[in-house]
Amino acid sequence: IAGITQAPTSQILAAGRRMTLRCTQDMRHNAMYWYRQDLGLGLRLIHYSNTAGTTGKGEVPDGYSVSRANTDDFPLTLASAVPSQTSVYFCASSDRAGTDTQYFGPGTRLTVL
Amino acid sequence: GQNIDQPTEMTATEGAIVQINCTYQTSGFNGLFWYQQHAGEAPTFLSYNVLDGLEEKGRFSSFLSRSKGYSYLLLKELQMKDSASYLCAVISDDYKLSFGAGTTVTVRA
Repeated sequence: IAGITQAPTSQILAAGRRMTLRCTQDMRHNAMYWYRQDLGLGLRLIHYSNTAGTTGKGEVPDGYSVSRANTDDFPLTLASAVPSQTSVYFCASSDRAGTDTQYFGPGTRLTVL
Repeated sequence: GQNIDQPTEMTATEGAIVQINCTYQTSGFNGLFWYQQHAGEAPTFLSYNVLDGLEEKGRFSSFLSRSKGYSYLLLKELQMKDSASYLCAVISDDYKLSFGAGTTVTVRA
């Protein structure tokens, strides 16, 4: 059992390009989340999905979109990357939305030039 | 917005005890988590408190006082492998997790 996997591990991207970060979990968790982590700011929620077929906006959703076509996958898309989106992106999942413990993937380090 | 404060850095000696404080001001409260994050790695779950009091789990303990908006994580018998960032996170009334900026603990021999 892998838990949560993310791809790519790292990426350097030119500004204006489109990029999709992939996240897959094999724990059959209902809820999934995307966070970005920046030095001195901690983890901030970008988008979430409480169950397959539904998504919601977190604290910093602008410039990002997500989809949840099935239970396992939760891709994050940057339609037109900007340098301020340079960050480490973590995907997480929990059995249910609410107070269940969230488990994190290994992260994707994204640099936008 | 949610406000979660914790010290930026702490240093302690191997074998010692360190206490990491976390204060929070959030819209509602549905629980508090502590996560450990080693450099370049994912956060990993340490503890969850929703009721007042102390939860002990091996060398790590977590305390919560809801009336004071305060929690601490106590690390005993420090080991070199405990050098990491420790993240305090609160579930508020919208059931979303809000994180503090993290406390980097350095354990010295």
